[in-house]
Amino acid sequence: AQSVTQPDIHITVSEGASLELRCNYSYGATPYLFWYVQSPGQGLQLLLKYFSGDTLVQGIKGFEAEFKRSQSSFNLRKPSVHWSDAAEYFCAVAPDSWGKLQFGAGTQVVVTP
Amino acid sequence: DTAVSQTPKYLVTQMGNDKSIKCEQNLGHDTMYWYKQDSKKFLKIMFSYNNKELIINETVPNRFSPKSPDKAHLNLHINSLELGDSAVYFCASSQSSDTQYFGPGTRLTVL
Repeated sequence: AQSVTQPDIHITVSEGASLELRCNYSYGATPYLFWYVQSPGQGLQLLLKYFSGDTLVQGIKGFEAEFKRSQSSFNLRKPSVHWSDAAEYFCAVAPDSWGKLQFGAGTQVVVTP
Repeated sequence: DTAVSQTPKYLVTQMGNDKSIKCEQNLGHDTMYWYKQDSKKFLKIMFSYNNKELIINETVPNRFSPKSPDKAHLNLHINSLELGDSAVYFCASSQSSDTQYFGPGTRLTVL
């Protein structure tokens, strides 16, 4: 069955430290891959996406993600987090069809001083 | 300028009532979606319209009826509201199967 897994439900990180959020997918072929962020009480904002090409993708707010076909992973990273990065992060995948996004369960990121 | 907007932002109503949520996008996209986010933050697609035609219809009770009067609008009407319908409903739009852009959400509370 097709699935998207975010193994970490909750991550706490110190301000200024690095952050890595994991995402694994199970699809027959390489799907389109996305990371969205949801700040408290807000909608979802696209951080970055991967369709094809360079496997290291740069996004907004200093985030990047790396697609690894062999591991079926699309992990999100940021070298130095800011307090404003505290939010819920969702990995999402879509097969090569009419954009039926399937979301992971989300990872809540808490940033401590 | 707001790209994808939803009204209302909050909706509190009694069980058994009928309510509608409206969505509008000014991005010129041809595809629009409704998603439901439950209390555990899990997001699941409900419907999708492409050029006013229904293309995705997930396993959703038929009390939920989407309507797309034109490419820029996708409304969601819910009949006979139940407690389990309480959730945040997100509208999104895209150009065909390209990146989806989300609205701010409508928090529905059924009492």
